[in-house]
Amino acid sequence: EIVLTQSPATLSLSPGERATLSCRASQSVTNNYLAWYQHKPGQAPRLLIYGASSRATGIPDRFSGSGSGTDFTLTITRLEPEDFAVYFCQRYDTPPRTFGQGTKVEIK
Amino acid sequence: QVQLVQSGAEVKKPGASLTLSCETSGYTFTSYTIHWVRQAPGQRLEWMGWIQPGRDLTKYSQKFQDRITITRDTSAGTVYLDLGSLTSEDTAVYYCARDDFIHHHFDYWGQGALVTVSS
Repeated sequence: EIVLTQSPATLSLSPGERATLSCRASQSVTNNYLAWYQHKPGQAPRLLIYGASSRATGIPDRFSGSGSGTDFTLTITRLEPEDFAVYFCQRYDTPPRTFGQGTKVEIK
Repeated sequence: QVQLVQSGAEVKKPGASLTLSCETSGYTFTSYTIHWVRQAPGQRLEWMGWIQPGRDLTKYSQKFQDRITITRDTSAGTVYLDLGSLTSEDTAVYYCARDDFIHHHFDYWGQGALVTVSS
């Protein structure tokens, strides 16, 4: 089973700052089948990025994904108040689909 | 718009069984696979299984193979998760999620249902 490790566990930033989140896979992710989600308490997770770098419908362009193979990054260029949440990655190339443990982006 | 609306929180005793529902709307129910995943306190999300509603095909994680059943009611656009022989380790938030049939990431999720297993 491929393990996804996200870092850092918590990111303390101010609105307007840049956030850089990492997701590292224990084995190469085929076809860059790596997605990023945003999750706020009590809400449904929201798809942000799929295929490592494709933004989902309606996602602002301040969110971007990059990377390939085993190293992937989610970047939020200028944090808005509504962006403070937990972010997790998921690989979906081969079963079972696995998830990272999440990075919490909190207000500094 | 696409919506997945889950049934509410449940409290169960050890050894009991659980049934959760995931009511879908806004798309052709039979065309998209629905997955169930869960997140125990302090743990990462864990995939449990999926159903292809159009074909009534299912696949389950080996971890739950002997006590999980996923079913669907096509007329109601609803998917169900049955989990038996509950223990405290089944305390978690359970989510249903729709599989994007082209790329196979999860494009829409339910809001989650907290299940607490306690004597």
